[in-house]
Amino acid sequence: DVKVTQSSRYLVKRTGEKVFLECVQDMDHENMFWYRQDPGLGLRLIYFSYDVKMKEKGDIPEGYSVSREKKERFSLILESASTNQTSMYLCASSHGWAGANTDTQYFGPGTRLTVL
Amino acid sequence: DAKTTQPNSMESNEEEPVHLPCNHSTISGTDYIHWYRQLPSQGPEYVIHGLTSNVNNRMASLAIAEDRKSSTLILHRATLRDAAVYYCILRGDTGFQKLVFGTGTRLLVSP
Repeated sequence: DVKVTQSSRYLVKRTGEKVFLECVQDMDHENMFWYRQDPGLGLRLIYFSYDVKMKEKGDIPEGYSVSREKKERFSLILESASTNQTSMYLCASSHGWAGANTDTQYFGPGTRLTVL
Repeated sequence: DAKTTQPNSMESNEEEPVHLPCNHSTISGTDYIHWYRQLPSQGPEYVIHGLTSNVNNRMASLAIAEDRKSSTLILHRATLRDAAVYYCILRGDTGFQKLVFGTGTRLLVSP
């Protein structure tokens, strides 16, 4: 089974802190994704990576950056955390070999981040 | 990606079959129909996907209408563990590979 793990299930940080969220997948997937999920807004894509050191902005990249130095690891960085970044953060990965219409994404358990 | 419409919630009893409907009248010829579900306090989980023919796997079955404007996810015997929000998503063959989740159907399963 594909396994996507995230470094923390719950995290509490203060406004202005730099926050690192780590995601690791064990299936040699090409693609990795960071989403955030908020009530009433569904899942929104923050960043996407299709290869090591490659990244693409999603729908809401402002206030975030990412790093993918190794294929299995994709990090989300909040440069200066703000209260409006309180959310559930979900990492996902997918093969990326097939077309977008058949690609299946596998999600981690999520990190619930609270910024005070 | 084209839009889907699902009921907000459905209820079922344990060990009974559940049919979760999804309407997608603007589906295009290359759009695949995907279903994901999200259990409480967990990340979404892939369930099944198909193009035209009905599909079965160990989790569920997917029945696709002949005109492809609607589909139904079938859980053959609901368990308490199947209580989740179920999302029907259309995926085209171009553009970003992000998943676009709508509001989904919240399935309640009673013992």
